[in-house]
Amino acid sequence: DTAVSQTPKYLVTQMGNDKSIKCEQNLGHDTMYWYKQDSKKFLKIMFSYNNKELIINETVPNRFSPKSPDKAHLNLHINSLELGDSAVYFCASSQGPSNHGYTFGSGTRLTVV
Amino acid sequence: DQQVKQNSPSLSVQEGRISILNCDYTNSMFDYFLWYKKYPAEGPTFLISISSIKDKNEDGRFTVFLNKSAKHLSLHIVPSQPGDSAVYFCAASISGSARQLTFGSGTQLTVLP
Repeated sequence: DTAVSQTPKYLVTQMGNDKSIKCEQNLGHDTMYWYKQDSKKFLKIMFSYNNKELIINETVPNRFSPKSPDKAHLNLHINSLELGDSAVYFCASSQGPSNHGYTFGSGTRLTVV
Repeated sequence: DQQVKQNSPSLSVQEGRISILNCDYTNSMFDYFLWYKKYPAEGPTFLISISSIKDKNEDGRFTVFLNKSAKHLSLHIVPSQPGDSAVYFCAASISGSARQLTFGSGTQLTVLP
């Protein structure tokens, strides 16, 4: 039983394409996140979202948009992909003031060619 | 402007010895700190955390120390085991900030048999 699952695990696509990464959590958590791990290995917050509030990191280009059909899903849509978008994207979820922080998915490695 | 810094990208330790991973932060508003462990092709998993009202938290072989005046925390693993070989991320958060975590760049720990 995977707690936070992301699909696909690997995604190779050409510049200019539009792509989506799906994320689902079965933990009943109220908040979901997208993080980007760049070439320098930093994990940087892109979005956090619960049923009340979407918080967007101001450095994220508006080509990136989260879409949440329900509390258990937070998908990431990327328009007009660029070479610099190549990275590993992690979805995560959390519930309340958890001492355990987040539960992460296994990541999606996006390569833009 | 990295608010959480792990200045050692890698660390090698002999099995059975102590591993000490360090983390520094700059934002004095951080009041909760976590360590995550990450294996290749997997998402980070929670390891141990500490609130700013404490200076030490222990869980089995893992102990986290917090020095607020120095804005420094460390993770001690003793005794180190080959299965501990992974990337360790330090993370920090501010209460009430939508539980967003700010991560360091990670330290690759290699435990040699």
